[in-house]
Amino acid sequence: SQTIHQWPATLVQPVGSPLSLECTVEGTSNPNLYWYRQAAGRGLQLLFYSVGIGQISSEVPQNLSASRPQDRQFILSSKKLLLSDSGFYLCAWSVRAKQRGDSTGELFFGEGSRLTVL
Amino acid sequence: SQQGEEDPQALSIQEGENATMNCSYKTSINNLQWYRQNSGRGLVHLILIRSNEREKHSGRLRVTLDTSKKSSSLLITASRAADTASYFCAPVHIAGGTSYGKLTFGQGTILTVHP
Repeated sequence: SQTIHQWPATLVQPVGSPLSLECTVEGTSNPNLYWYRQAAGRGLQLLFYSVGIGQISSEVPQNLSASRPQDRQFILSSKKLLLSDSGFYLCAWSVRAKQRGDSTGELFFGEGSRLTVL
Repeated sequence: SQQGEEDPQALSIQEGENATMNCSYKTSINNLQWYRQNSGRGLVHLILIRSNEREKHSGRLRVTLDTSKKSSSLLITASRAADTASYFCAPVHIAGGTSYGKLTFGQGTILTVHP
């Protein structure tokens, strides 16, 4: 069965410090991978998605970047954190559709990483 | 991708009552999905309804879809305190070719079920 792991679960970082959140998926190959952010009491904002190694699409201009060094590994980074980067970060994966109709787009989420920037 | 808009923003009911949440969207879809999020946790997929379906059941969940009105509803019958969570809808349009991309989510409906 497929599993998704995300770490660290909780992180408190000072403004200006770097960030690295990691996500790995097991039990599947060639997944689509996603990073979402959820501010307190708000909906989910899609930050990045990836359809393959080294292929990253950014949805929102911001202080963050993403990388996919391996097929099932997705990393969210920042060189210098801002207060506004605080939030709950969720990694997710979905089956990559090879042709119309062979996948539903269902997302499988990790347990999230709560980042507090002070 | 398009975002669903959930309504109401918050819903507070007693255990045993039914809870109904609504979702509206703007463009054509292949399917619409509902997700649940317990406080501080990741989202969990609940149920998917395809564009050619009008109603679907899964346990105490009933989902309806009206493509002419571009709306969907999620009904939880005989609610329990454990149903307390945020609920999100995600309308999905699957383009042709390879990867179709991403789901986007609205603010969700916060459901509180009082014991």
